[in-house]
Amino acid sequence: AQSVAQPEDQVNVAEGNPLTVKCTYSVSGNPYLFWYVQYPNRGLQFLLKYITGDNLVKGSYGFEAEFNKSQTSFHLKKPSALVSDSALYFCAVRDPSINTGKLIFGQGTTLQVKP
Amino acid sequence: GAVVSQHPSWVICKSGTSVKIECRSLDFQATTMFWYRQFPKQSLMLMATSNEGSKATYEQGVEKDKFLINHASLTLSTLTVTSAHPEDSSFYICSARRQGAEEPQHFGDGTRLSIL
Repeated sequence: AQSVAQPEDQVNVAEGNPLTVKCTYSVSGNPYLFWYVQYPNRGLQFLLKYITGDNLVKGSYGFEAEFNKSQTSFHLKKPSALVSDSALYFCAVRDPSINTGKLIFGQGTTLQVKP
Repeated sequence: GAVVSQHPSWVICKSGTSVKIECRSLDFQATTMFWYRQFPKQSLMLMATSNEGSKATYEQGVEKDKFLINHASLTLSTLTVTSAHPEDSSFYICSARRQGAEEPQHFGDGTRLSIL
């Protein structure tokens, strides 16, 4: 069965420090991978995606993510966290062999950046 | 960028009322839109996939007659919660996707539905 796991419910980081939000997936074939951020009472904002090519993808607001096929991971990273990065982050995967375009979401990780 | 507008943002109404939520793709055509429900501090639960010009595809356990979906144009999908009850209170979010396998879904800002 296809699945996405975000092993940490919450990640706490001091402002200015690097941050990592973890994501692993279980999808057959070559999945499409996405990261989204959600602020309170808002929808999800698209941050970045991996389709093919370079394993390190750069996205919005200074975020990047590294695709690791052998470890089936797609961790989200940022070199220097800001207090305004505090939000709920979702990793999502899509199986391109299935034409519906449906996303499978992880359970979400709350990022708390403290000044 | 891709913009999806969802309206209304908040709805408070009495039990038994039907509520319609609109989802519009403002600057692109969306052959497929998705409707999600989100409980507090939880992930998104896909309710249905809305296809322009055809019937929606509902996920297992979602009542079709309760949650009516209409996707009459390439820029508009609506979700109607019929005869809403307090247990239907939730945060409902729509998304839309441009044509193209690599396109991400773009989300509306959600609708907070509170049934008294």
